[in-house]
Amino acid sequence: GENVEQHPSTLSVQEGDSAVIKCTYSDSASNYFPWYKQELGKRPQLIIDIRSNVGEKKDQRIAVTLNKTAKHFSLHITETQPEDSAVYFCAARTGSNTGKLIFGQGTTLQVKP
Amino acid sequence: ETGVTQSPTHLIKTRGQQVTLRCSSQSGHNTVSWYQQALGQGPQFIFQYYREEENGRGNFPPRFSGLQFPNYSSELNVNALELDDSALYLCASSRGQGRSAGELFFGEGSRLTVL
Repeated sequence: GENVEQHPSTLSVQEGDSAVIKCTYSDSASNYFPWYKQELGKRPQLIIDIRSNVGEKKDQRIAVTLNKTAKHFSLHITETQPEDSAVYFCAARTGSNTGKLIFGQGTTLQVKP
Repeated sequence: ETGVTQSPTHLIKTRGQQVTLRCSSQSGHNTVSWYQQALGQGPQFIFQYYREEENGRGNFPPRFSGLQFPNYSSELNVNALELDDSALYLCASSRGQGRSAGELFFGEGSRLTVL
């Protein structure tokens, strides 16, 4: 079935360090992979996304890589800051006619000052 | 450009009751998707509406139903509420549908507590 696995579930880093979150997906027809940041009690907010015809995308301190063959994609945050602390979700858009997103279980990132 | 708005923001119901949640999509968006987010979990797809018709459903029972109106706003109805229905219900709008759909924009959600 359609599934997205996300690791780790929690991640604690020192301010200035890098953070990496990894996801794997099961539907080989998936073509769009967004990452969302969700602060407590708030809506998920898109921070970066990548389409299946691209292997890597970068936006300032945030980058995403995609390995279609292995069905893996990863989020990289460099020079972490305390305001990066939040729950991060990866998602994959399925090949179905809805284009629904299947979300990972989330990673709670804590950046210690 | 107005964002996705949802109402109510919080509500408390008892088992067996019914609830209606509302969503106004972002200007220019014709597709609305509803997701359920239980505490500590990722959002789970409930269903999607495109041009006023249900365009796909996740693994949710028929007591979860919805509507989309000509202005693309939408409602989510849940009958015979159960304790496990307690969750944050997120509405998301986008342009188009399927694999070519645009970015999903989420509302702030409706927090439902079932006692």
